[in-house]
Amino acid sequence: VQLVESGGRLIQPGGSLRLSCAASGFTVGNNYMNWFRQAPGRGLDWVALIYSGGTTAYADSVKGRFAISRDSSTNTLYLQMNSLRVEDTAVYYCGRDGAGGGNWGQGTLVTVSS
Amino acid sequence: DIVMTQSPLSLPVTPGEPASIFCRSSQSLLHSNGNKYLDWYLQKPGQSPQLLIYLGSNRASGVPDRFSGSGSGTDFTLKISRVEAEDVGTYYCMQGRQTPITFGQGTRLEIK
Repeated sequence: VQLVESGGRLIQPGGSLRLSCAASGFTVGNNYMNWFRQAPGRGLDWVALIYSGGTTAYADSVKGRFAISRDSSTNTLYLQMNSLRVEDTAVYYCGRDGAGGGNWGQGTLVTVSS
Repeated sequence: DIVMTQSPLSLPVTPGEPASIFCRSSQSLLHSNGNKYLDWYLQKPGQSPQLLIYLGSNRASGVPDRFSGSGSGTDFTLKISRVEAEDVGTYYCMQGRQTPITFGQGTRLEIK
């Protein structure tokens, strides 16, 4: 089982970015999948969740700006991030539901700065 | 939102000694299906978090049996029977009972 995030980079406030999480060893669509983030030197925060049935949920801080999705053909999870703010700067992790195995990726760094 | 409160926030431990970390939730994490939606993660320095315990008391695959989890609907404990040097890092409890999913502040375990 492996999760590999990509897509993080330095971006200006107000910009857009799409993160990817390529999964192997299990089927993304059969699991609850999350995006989490960790600001520099801080604790863990939840960002978004997509249930196996396709329903989604978001933290209030990103609602209306971020969108979680998945592609069954490539077994990949995505996080589309729009209207980025300085406070969105963090390492972003994709993670599988605990009861499903609780696997996390290595993370991808998003830096929002002018 | 469910608030998760961990204690202690810092835990110095002598190798070979036991250690306990506590996590309290502001609402019950017990679902009508009987599951307690509380997970424990360890984030070792420079690494991503790794699952230790899921649904309150189930050890994740590959986790040494010196780690155990227990708890009621709102009070949970992670116990390490004999701390080893490789257990250093920050431990987080996380509730998945309802969204928003929330974490405790983290407990930093260090070796004396």
